[in-house]
Amino acid sequence: KAGVTQTPRYLIKTRGQQVTLSCSPISGHRSVSWYQQTPGQGLQFLFEYFSETQRNKGNFPGRFSGRQFSNSRSEMNVSTLELGDSALYLCATGTDYGYTFGSGTRLTVV
Amino acid sequence: DAKTTQPPSMDCAEGRAANLPCNHSTISGNEYVYWYRQIHSQGPQYIIHGLKNNETNEMASLIITEDRKSSTLILPHATLRDTAVYYCIVRVRQFSGNTPLVFGKGTRLSVIA
Repeated sequence: KAGVTQTPRYLIKTRGQQVTLSCSPISGHRSVSWYQQTPGQGLQFLFEYFSETQRNKGNFPGRFSGRQFSNSRSEMNVSTLELGDSALYLCATGTDYGYTFGSGTRLTVV
Repeated sequence: DAKTTQPPSMDCAEGRAANLPCNHSTISGNEYVYWYRQIHSQGPQYIIHGLKNNETNEMASLIITEDRKSSTLILPHATLRDTAVYYCIVRVRQFSGNTPLVFGKGTRLSVIA
């Protein structure tokens, strides 16, 4: 089966800019979750979308936002980038048996 | 915060069984134990989960103590490709929606030739 596809794989942005990351879940899966991974904080939950509605949200500032489209593809946006936003951003599609993660987008803010 | 405690690192000889412990003393009756692993720079990979019975699949076995306060993930014949960070997570399993995964620091398993 096709996996979770994240684009782009790598990204370099400048402080103050904004960025949009994309995630296409496994075909037929309606939920998409986003996680941030940094060396200091580890893996942290950002938010989850199900059928175009945000269902859960982690403890991140409002600069982090997301949306989901009718085809279940999801995007997350980070505005006014800070150096501390440099991280691996992972998206996952889940069932009650477990999540399948994408390979992530590595964002570097300079 | 993560509800699990794991040793930060472990070594295992190639071909031997790797036994990764996890403490979850405050686990609730409706919480499952999940194991994921993350190979360097990749997304986490689901391994196995269980409620109270021991479970086995093609990747690993999960042994949960009778009081459910701890569990052990067993990789029966570890290979170099099993070198990864292993995360033990407790989570309510919901059929109507998913609760977020709360990751701790995990155990870094190094399989040595």
